[in-house]
Parts: sequence; C-alpha cells; structure tokens
Amino acid sequence: DAGVIQSPRHEVTEMGQEVTLRCKPISGHNSLFWYRQTMMRGLELLIYFNNNVPIDDSGMPEDRFSAKMPNASFSTLKIQPSEPRDSAVYFCASNLGGHQPQHFGDGTRLSIL
Amino acid sequence: QKEVEQNSGPLSVPEGAIASLNCTYSDRGSQSFFWYRQYSGKSPELIMFIYSNGDKEDGRFTAQLNKASQYVSLLIRDSQPSDSATYLCAVNPGNTGKLIFGQGTTLQVKP
Repeated sequence: DAGVIQSPRHEVTEMGQEVTLRCKPISGHNSLFWYRQTMMRGLELLIYFNNNVPIDDSGMPEDRFSAKMPNASFSTLKIQPSEPRDSAVYFCASNLGGHQPQHFGDGTRLSIL
Repeated sequence: QKEVEQNSGPLSVPEGAIASLNCTYSDRGSQSFFWYRQYSGKSPELIMFIYSNGDKEDGRFTAQLNKASQYVSLLIRDSQPSDSATYLCAVNPGNTGKLIFGQGTTLQVKP
C-alpha cells in the first residue's frame, strides 16, 4: 500500500523565491497535517485539514505561509517569499480522522540560502 | 510549562536490557497518546498508541498510561542496537484532531 507521498524530497533555493511543497495522503484518509521540524523547535504542527477544509492554521508562522487542499488526494504548502529561517524538514501526515494514528511521509528537506 | 515533556537524553542502555522512556503532558483532557520512532534523517514511524489507562503490549514494546498522573511511558524489552533512535511522544489534546509532540528522547543501545 502506498503511504503518504511528498515531493520534492529536497529543495534548495534562494531567499525571496516561492517554494511549493506537495503531498498526497493515504487513500481513504480524510485528515491531512503539515508539520515542520527543526532542531531548536522540534516537530510543530502548522495546519491541518479535515475533509479538505482547513480546521486549525494557528501554527502557520506568518502570512508568507499558505496551504491548500483542493481535493482529497492532494495538498500544497507554499512559502512566498522564502527566508533562510524557513529552512527545515517539512512533513505531511494523514489519518482516518479523530484519534486515529497519523502516518507520515518521507518529508521535504528545505534549504533557503 | 511545555505541553508535552520528555527527557532529551541520550538514554544509553546495553543490548538486551529494558529501555524505559517517559513522557508527561499538561492537558488533562487529552484522550489519545502515541509513540513514534525517528531514525536520523528519516520520518517519524508509529510504534504504539494507547487510549485507556493501563498497559498495552505489542511484541517487545509496552506502552503504559496513567491519566491521573498525566504520564505515559514506553518500555522496550530486549533492546537491540537497531532500536537506537529518537522516540517522540505525541498527545491528542481534547477533542481536536491534532497532535502535540514532545522534543523526543534519544536512545542509544550499546552492543
């Protein structure tokens, strides 16, 4: 069975550029989560969707970050303009909703120069 | 006070020993609890989840939950070098769908 699929696996870009991260959740899962992981702050929830609707975006650091889920099988996290402090590993996870376990993708390692 | 607290370690145990990883949480309304294992450079991998007070066993792993003390632990029996990783405790607060993660405990199992 395919797990959560994220792309790209690695992204290196210059400050000020737009960055788009992509995620395909596990088929049948109706909740999708975007996390950011850094050494200093650990694993932080940025935003999550339930049935394609954003439920909680309180973790989104600022207006430069935006996320969409146009359908049940695809979500994007966009950073515009990007800054060096956005460098981190970004994970997408999905689950069946409620208290069910979340399953993580392999992550996107983002470096902003 | 952090919502989910773990000792960052490293916790070092000899091969074959029992490793005990601990986690405390602040939200008394929390209803579900998860342990993830994360190898360096990899994504978090679900190890165990527990919803009710008491113990839950799966192979060499046992999760223990004490809601009155707001404490959840993970025991790894017969520890192997391949168990060396960072273990993340995650808590689902209240009726939300989101998880709050601790900073993780690094476990080193020495041959």
